[in-house]
Amino acid sequence: DVVLTQTPLSLAVTPGQPASISCKSSQSLLHTNGKTYLYWYVQRPGQSPQPLIYELSRRFSGVPDRFSGSGSGTNFTLTISRAETEDVGIYYCVEGIHLPPAFGGGTKVEIK
Amino acid sequence: EVQLVESGGGLVQPGRSLRLSCAVSGFSFDDYAMHWVRQVPGKGLEWVSGIPWNSGLVAYADSVRGRFTISRDNAQNSLYLQMDNLRPEDTAFYYCARGPLYYNDWFLPHFDFWGQGTLVTVSS
Repeated sequence: DVVLTQTPLSLAVTPGQPASISCKSSQSLLHTNGKTYLYWYVQRPGQSPQPLIYELSRRFSGVPDRFSGSGSGTNFTLTISRAETEDVGIYYCVEGIHLPPAFGGGTKVEIK
Repeated sequence: EVQLVESGGGLVQPGRSLRLSCAVSGFSFDDYAMHWVRQVPGKGLEWVSGIPWNSGLVAYADSVRGRFTISRDNAQNSLYLQMDNLRPEDTAFYYCARGPLYYNDWFLPHFDFWGQGTLVTVSS
């Protein structure tokens, strides 16, 4: 089974400053069709998960452009270019190469 | 406005059954795959099951296969999860989520809308 490892477990960010979360996969997430099936979701306090990024770097509709996804193969990064107070929550990566899809353990983001 | 509303959660004894429902509105339900994702309170997310628009294929997590059954009624714009032989470790919030539009991608974790979740507690 694929294992996704997120680091750090928690992160305190100053508003206006950048933040990065790493997601490492035990197997390549590059499909033979050329797409990388890595997704990012955020769960804000008391809310359901919400989508951020699909297929490595594409933003879901309505997601601010301060969120970006990057990486390749087995190493991936979610970057918040300028953190805002509303960005508090737990961020999860999830892979779509395999069935069942595997979630990372989550990274808690707090605002200083 | 897209809405997904789960119901059917509650307290149930180990070994008993429960049926969750997810009523959707605001989009053409029969165009999309649908999925269930669960979350033990205070813990991470776990994919549970998925079904394409035409119920042609279904998939389950190893932890629930043989005990849970996913189904949908496109005429009723509803998704279901029949949970049998429940175990204490099935205690979690259960979310329904809208999956991909295209049939060939039905199994991808492309979840653009989620419900608010329903809590299932399995305890004696």
